[in-house]
Amino acid sequence: QSVLTQPPSVSGAPGQRVTISCTGSSSNIANFDVHWYQQLPGTAPKLLISGNRNRPSGVPDRFSGSKSGTSASLVITGLQAEDEADYYCQSYDSSLSAVFGGGTKLTVL
Amino acid sequence: QVQLQESGPGLVRPSETLSLTCSVSGGSITSYYWGWIRQPPGKGVEMIGYISKTGTPKYNPSLKSRLTISTDSSQKQFSLNLKFVTAADTAVYYCTGLMARWFGDKSPGPWFDPWGPGILVTVSS
Repeated sequence: QSVLTQPPSVSGAPGQRVTISCTGSSSNIANFDVHWYQQLPGTAPKLLISGNRNRPSGVPDRFSGSKSGTSASLVITGLQAEDEADYYCQSYDSSLSAVFGGGTKLTVL
Repeated sequence: QVQLQESGPGLVRPSETLSLTCSVSGGSITSYYWGWIRQPPGKGVEMIGYISKTGTPKYNPSLKSRLTISTDSSQKQFSLNLKFVTAADTAVYYCTGLMARWFGDKSPGPWFDPWGPGILVTVSS
């Protein structure tokens, strides 16, 4: 079991909006930043969002992140076929160090 | 732009030591934190540990007793040694850089960027 909880899968049609949630606790998300990664099939994860809502250069603005209390969300708007991937949230836990969610598989219908 | 490349054996016998090296190019090894993350086949990612600019390591508590992470500035490399491996240690191993925001001496936590392409290590006799 991962310290951070994500839904195993989400799906959406091209052009739609999807949301991936990440739930933690007072020892992690409530007091530390959340970061998001995208892992395309057969490749290494890539940073998608840092510091709750900051997109690195080159990440489309269709991707956005937010955090509130012990939860965080990744929102993808204008869904595209190339967005089909696994998505991971990550934070820091005061007892454990850096921790990840179990990952969410996004399927574009 | 910093680039990372893992190297090491793809097969390790049970009870032996898994040793991997990450080569750093495009940046100074003394300017960043460096880490290791692994991903068992078909599963999610797990932080193994990381090492600070000053050489202070931080390990996943579940691996701490078997783990050593170190840097070799002269070779622009950092390494991972995991002792007494079992089949449960079979995974793709990624080396990463770590980034963080700092507010005085406090940080809201690091993120991992960039990542190496990964290396599959199988533990089997």
